[in-house]
Amino acid sequence: SQQGEEDPQALSIQEGENATMNCSYKTSINNLQWYRQNSGRGLVHLILIRSNEREKHSGRLRVTLDTSKKSSSLLITASRAADTASYFCATGRGSNYKLTFGKGTLLTVNP
Amino acid sequence: GAVVSQHPSRVICKSGTSVKIECRSLDFQATTMFWYRQFPKQSLMLMATSNEGSKATYEQGVEKDKFLINHASLTLSTLTVTSAHPEDSSFYICSARDSDGNYGYTFGSGTRLTVV
Repeated sequence: SQQGEEDPQALSIQEGENATMNCSYKTSINNLQWYRQNSGRGLVHLILIRSNEREKHSGRLRVTLDTSKKSSSLLITASRAADTASYFCATGRGSNYKLTFGKGTLLTVNP
Repeated sequence: GAVVSQHPSRVICKSGTSVKIECRSLDFQATTMFWYRQFPKQSLMLMATSNEGSKATYEQGVEKDKFLINHASLTLSTLTVTSAHPEDSSFYICSARDSDGNYGYTFGSGTRLTVV
């Protein structure tokens, strides 16, 4: 079953603006990961945040994790048209290394 | 970085035939491979987890005899859709993980299957 729920489902912004996507989950986790998917392509790993971390940065990406609220956010700063894609959060738990994906946010960055 | 090669990228087949999709880890040993199915504009649904040399573990609701998974080596896993029907048309994606987790999860580029 899908555990992660992203919101918004779709987000349209102008180039240069910041984009924030949120993800909520229901059970305890070992880590939470964010992935990007261009239309009809595979997934690209963006960033992983462990359950004992609260914030992580990677380039223009900033991820926060609030385990008390079971939520995470992905912030893309100074967005570019090339950032247009679907973004998924995925939670990892247990020792079987399975990932559970959320429904995704379709981000459109208009030039 | 870690690369997973998946092919074919697109395949069209007739109803009743079988289709094999390959997933190879090119520069690391994939101890565990995962197979996902994705419908248009939807999320990824895990179908099965395979560990090298052992039988795949299927998720609830996934037919084992329909979706045959083989993980005979540390660099290759295959998914065979047997007796394909139009409702099997979907986007199938594999993902691989090495034993130490050094490379995280690396995804293939996906296979678009169309059954006519």
